[in-house]
Amino acid sequence: GQNIDQPTEMTATEGAIVQINCTYQTSGFNGLFWYQQHAGEAPTFLSYNVLDGLEEKGRFSSFLSRSKGYSYLLLKELQMKDSASYLCAVRTGANNLFFGTGTRLTVIP
Amino acid sequence: DTAVSQTPKYLVTQMGNDKSIKCEQNLGHDTMYWYKQDSKKFLKIMFSYNNKELIINETVPNRFSPKSPDKAHLNLHINSLELGDSAVYFCASSHLAGGRSTDTQYFGPGTRLTVL
Repeated sequence: GQNIDQPTEMTATEGAIVQINCTYQTSGFNGLFWYQQHAGEAPTFLSYNVLDGLEEKGRFSSFLSRSKGYSYLLLKELQMKDSASYLCAVRTGANNLFFGTGTRLTVIP
Repeated sequence: DTAVSQTPKYLVTQMGNDKSIKCEQNLGHDTMYWYKQDSKKFLKIMFSYNNKELIINETVPNRFSPKSPDKAHLNLHINSLELGDSAVYFCASSHLAGGRSTDTQYFGPGTRLTVL
């Protein structure tokens, strides 16, 4: 089976940096995705890693270590609008995308 | 222009009824998906179609039947609805993955199904 773990909830202060971790054990690996989902809305794509290392996109960065089955999403200069759920997803094979349960981030003033 | 659209946005129905949810994408993708997100917000793949052919069918009751009339549409028909079917159903689309970031899945706005 597929096992993808994330913390259920996190709280951070506006302007701060927060790191959301994801560990995975899957049969096959063809990339790791991070999605953002605001309450009542669709998940939207944030980042993609298939090779080890850090991918940076503005205030958001994502890191992958395939040997450790580990990824994190780093959010800098937090804004109130960053309050959302962050979903880690692993693609196995051609198009099977398996999601973790998501981390609900609350940004406080 | 809406990239992935679903109708209806909300669906309230009685147990035992049959209902359909429609999905359309205008991104030129060749692969479409249905996901179910339960009350705990866990998003799980149900089906995947590539060029109108089924390529993923996770453990889903056969009361759920996807229909793909063409590459741009993937509809979900549910027979004999049960209370446990209440959830948000998301449609998504992508190119068939080849290890490229352009194979990202794009999600529709979701259909909130409530079975009474």
